[in-house]
Amino acid sequence: DAGITQSPRHKVTETGTPVTLRCHQTENHRYMYWYRQDPGHGLRLIHYSYGVKDTDKGEVSDGYSVSRSKTEDFLLTLESATSSQTSVYFCAIRGQENTGELFFGEGSRLTVL
Amino acid sequence: GENVEQHPSTLSVQEGDSAVIKCTYSDSASNYFPWYKQELGKGPQLIIDIRSNVGEKKDQRIAVTLNKTAKHFSLHITETQPEDSAVYFCAAWDTGRRALTFGSGTRLQVQP
Repeated sequence: DAGITQSPRHKVTETGTPVTLRCHQTENHRYMYWYRQDPGHGLRLIHYSYGVKDTDKGEVSDGYSVSRSKTEDFLLTLESATSSQTSVYFCAIRGQENTGELFFGEGSRLTVL
Repeated sequence: GENVEQHPSTLSVQEGDSAVIKCTYSDSASNYFPWYKQELGKGPQLIIDIRSNVGEKKDQRIAVTLNKTAKHFSLHITETQPEDSAVYFCAAWDTGRRALTFGSGTRLQVQP
């Protein structure tokens, strides 16, 4: 158990509504990541953070924003959800900074109708 | 950035047989290559990894090989068991993004 909690675990929402997913860690790691998982695409990086208020874009960042106001929490926001953002979202932390080993949360399944 | 391709997308073997999953990567600067196993409804979990200064690594029934010149790496599972059935992902460390880039996944089914 890497001490990662994602919430909510399941959410159904309608097109055009804002959605925020939360990732909480208990181990004070600097790096945190948001990935989305879709059939045939594996896991694709949305945004990542390398410290409080330090974030950067991944390969599929359009339509998403993130915030990290404290070390333990990394929030992913969909300002206006679209059906193409229906996916399973995974948060990850980087364990040791001299490796690339990532530890993943259990995922948040989002359905946009 | 890094690009990782993974084959096959599905693999069905008989219990006791071996399974091999192959990946290629694009960035010659990548130096870390993990493999993750994902069971239904769970997050991916690291099962083995290899760094670019090593050609092969084994851990009981699983092994990973790396060919830096050809930019490909493979996962080998011997004596497969039904509990090995899962989706497996390869990944490569993207030194620019400081993140892992993943392959598209292989669904392994071990028939009892």
